[in-house]
Amino acid sequence: SAVISQKPSRDICQRGTSLTIQCQVDSQVTMMFWYRQQPGQSLTLIATANQGSEATYESGFVIDKFPISRPNLTFSTLTVSNMSPEDSSIYLCSVEDRTGEETQYFGPGTRLLVL
Amino acid sequence: GQNIDQPTEMTATEGAIVQINCTYQTSGFNGLFWYQQHAGEAPTFLSYNVLDGLEEKGRFSSFLSRSKGYSYLLLKELQMKDSASYLCAVRDTTGGFKTIFGAGTRLFVKA
Repeated sequence: SAVISQKPSRDICQRGTSLTIQCQVDSQVTMMFWYRQQPGQSLTLIATANQGSEATYESGFVIDKFPISRPNLTFSTLTVSNMSPEDSSIYLCSVEDRTGEETQYFGPGTRLLVL
Repeated sequence: GQNIDQPTEMTATEGAIVQINCTYQTSGFNGLFWYQQHAGEAPTFLSYNVLDGLEEKGRFSSFLSRSKGYSYLLLKELQMKDSASYLCAVRDTTGGFKTIFGAGTRLFVKA
């Protein structure tokens, strides 16, 4: 299994500012994923972060708005840039485990409120 | 593209059995997951199916039919703590491995 921690756990930010969310995993993983979950809705994949290469973004998400870093196999960051109230959401980091039973583990999430 | 459908809400009685259905359309199917998510918490893994058939794990079972693009999650001996959202998710290899989530089914268990 993988244990994932995220910082910060929650934040309240002003419109136009940026926030960087950190994700730390207790084991080396090839692929890390960033999801967004807006209130009452399911998870939407933002991008896949691979170590040593550019992140792959899903439709509707762009690097200028959500830059991602993946400096090593246990860590990633997601930045929410030039925030607006529409960015208020829970942001979740996730990793896959294919060593045993196929599964995907999620971090506790970062609750972001933009005023 | 991908499309995952599941009912928005279901209600069941404590001690009963409930089946949550999920249909999906994807061009690069590589497995189907079910997750449980309590309000305010991250999703937790319940099951994974990649071959047709039934996978049983305690009170929870999951079924997959790849030819029909269909899965269900079966919850037996329902308990109040089973009240949660249940997310159907499909791994798709189109454009790289990624897991796409359905909108989730909110299950209410009543006494």
